[in-house]
Amino acid sequence: GNSVTQMEGPVTLSEEAFLTINCTYTATGYPSLFWYVQYPGEGLQLLLKATKADDKGSNKGFEATYRKETTSFHLEKGSVQVSDSAVYFCALNSGGSNYKLTFGKGTLLTVNP
Amino acid sequence: EPEVTQTPSHQVTQMGQEVILRCVPISNHLYFYWYRQILGQKVEFLVSFYNNEISEKSEIFDDQFSVERPDGSNFTLKIRSTKLEDSAMYFCASRGAGGTYNEQFFGPGTRLTVL
Repeated sequence: GNSVTQMEGPVTLSEEAFLTINCTYTATGYPSLFWYVQYPGEGLQLLLKATKADDKGSNKGFEATYRKETTSFHLEKGSVQVSDSAVYFCALNSGGSNYKLTFGKGTLLTVNP
Repeated sequence: EPEVTQTPSHQVTQMGQEVILRCVPISNHLYFYWYRQILGQKVEFLVSFYNNEISEKSEIFDDQFSVERPDGSNFTLKIRSTKLEDSAMYFCASRGAGGTYNEQFFGPGTRLTVL
């Protein structure tokens, strides 16, 4: 079945540091890949997505590239801000009729001033 | 911007009691989902719902669970007789067709605590 493995947290960085959160997946077919973010007290928000190999998703300075050869979708940001403190979830769906999502465990990021 | 809403934000109940978690999906969406996250664990798929019937359910979604779309706007998850292990955050999501067909939009969640 499908699975997503995410870098364990928590991750603590200083403002303006470089961020990488690793994500690898196992899936049948050609999944679409997603990063969701959950800010304190809020729901899951889609941060970015990629639907085919070599696609790069980007939003709010975050980027992730769909790497089929390494089955990875690592999240990066060149310079984090305190406001980026949140839990980040990597997820995939394999399409079909339901597009149900399979999530990783989530990585808590704390950015200190 | 349209959003998914969920009520209540926090529900505390006694073991064995029935609970109903409510969701209002985005109005023109056709596909609806429930997920849950036990504290410290992964977000897990429970059930998907389309055209007034369940389209897929996970092994977690046993006979104690049911879903319903009682009117044109609400989508509910009922747990008939809650167990301690049902304590979790429950997320509702909805998905439309068209350009964002591949994206699910999530509500803020309901934290269920079973005592």
